[in-house]
Amino acid sequence: GENVEQHPSTLSVQEGDSAVIKCTYSDSASNYFPWYKQELGKRPQLIIDIRSNVGEKKDQRIAVTLNKTAKHFSLHITETQPEDSAVYFCAASILDTGGFKTIFGAGTRLFVKA
Amino acid sequence: NAGVTQTPKFQVLKTGQSMTLQCAQDMNHEYMSWYRQDPGMGLRLIHYSVGAGITDQGEVPNGYNVSRSTTEDFPLRLLSAAPSQTSVYFCASSYSGDRAPIYYEQYFGPGTRLTVT
Repeated sequence: GENVEQHPSTLSVQEGDSAVIKCTYSDSASNYFPWYKQELGKRPQLIIDIRSNVGEKKDQRIAVTLNKTAKHFSLHITETQPEDSAVYFCAASILDTGGFKTIFGAGTRLFVKA
Repeated sequence: NAGVTQTPKFQVLKTGQSMTLQCAQDMNHEYMSWYRQDPGMGLRLIHYSVGAGITDQGEVPNGYNVSRSTTEDFPLRLLSAAPSQTSVYFCASSYSGDRAPIYYEQYFGPGTRLTVT
């Protein structure tokens, strides 16, 4: 089955710096890759996603890149702000007979120091 | 639209007890899933469903049953609670789209915090 690995587990940056989180997946059939942000005690919220037929997507300060050949994808946050501090999860999804199956990475705790 | 709702918010069970976690959505989403999140960990898929009457096992299905009799509801049943099932449980739903395969955002419920003593 699908396995998603995420690195680093913890990331600390200065306000204004960039943050990069990397993920790899194992199932080449996965073709949808969402990223979620989770604040303490809250539910995960989608921040950006990318489909397998796209190599890069950007939304203001957030961008995601996908390398299907290498089976890895990355989240880039530029000009980080203290409110970006949270846990970020990558995920890989596939549509199969049972439904929409999404496997998550273990998460990256991002600290943005003011 | 209430979105995805889950009940109860908190629950304490004794080892061996059974209970059902409720999940409902009012967005007419076909896809629904259950996840568990242990402290400091990611979300692990328990069971998922493509529509009424169709479910499948995820990464960690042992000790849990699901059924999907309607599009709106997707309850998760703990058969005989164990301390290892202490976790936060999230239900999520997603639109299926008019043309498959196509992917849409998963909407998560607020979660149920379960403690098994």
